[in-house]
Amino acid sequence: AQSVTQLDSHVSVSEGTPVLLRCNYSSSYSPSLFWYVQHPNKGLQLLLKYTSAATLVKGINGFEAEFKKSETSFHLTKPSAHMSDAAEYFCVVSDGGYQKVTFGIGTKLQVIP
Amino acid sequence: DSGVTQTPKHLITATGQRVTLRCSPRSGDLSVYWYQQSLDQGLQFLIHYYNGEERAKGNILERFSAQQFPDLHSELNLSSLELGDSALYFCASSRDVWREGETQYFGPGTRLLVL
Repeated sequence: AQSVTQLDSHVSVSEGTPVLLRCNYSSSYSPSLFWYVQHPNKGLQLLLKYTSAATLVKGINGFEAEFKKSETSFHLTKPSAHMSDAAEYFCVVSDGGYQKVTFGIGTKLQVIP
Repeated sequence: DSGVTQTPKHLITATGQRVTLRCSPRSGDLSVYWYQQSLDQGLQFLIHYYNGEERAKGNILERFSAQQFPDLHSELNLSSLELGDSALYFCASSRDVWREGETQYFGPGTRLLVL
């Protein structure tokens, strides 16, 4: 079985400061891990993905995430928040042994001017 | 724009009714996935079709069914609707089955309101 835990339901940062959105996972196999972003009234957009290649993954819009197997974590970071980053972020795990995926509950990011 | 289209965008109906949601995957994608997003349950995987065949089921109720047609578009049928079925329903597509590295592209969703 697989599961994913997003440790914060809401994160608030000031514009220009770093962003950290935390995600822990469990998986019976070597997982694929993803971060998706959902802006209000929009569908989900892929930010980045980890697929057992480099452990530091760079995505779109300056986001990156580091896969840490020992900590079973896949935290999302960005050095400097922009107002347009305000959205909901979902951490997703896909277990190679199953034909389905598991989404975290989501983290709402608020960016304060 | 992900290339995945969903119709209708909004749907308002009454309890006990039946509705059909439609999804057209990206050109060339063989897999279609359906998800339900609600405030209390979050985003949940419902069902996956690949090239017309059902491949995996998630938390899909027996009142719900889906199919994928030869032209690869998919329909999600929701029947005997209850108030709790009100949610945002997403469709996603991918080139192949969900496996290492395969990316799912999401449509804009259909917002269903059951009154």
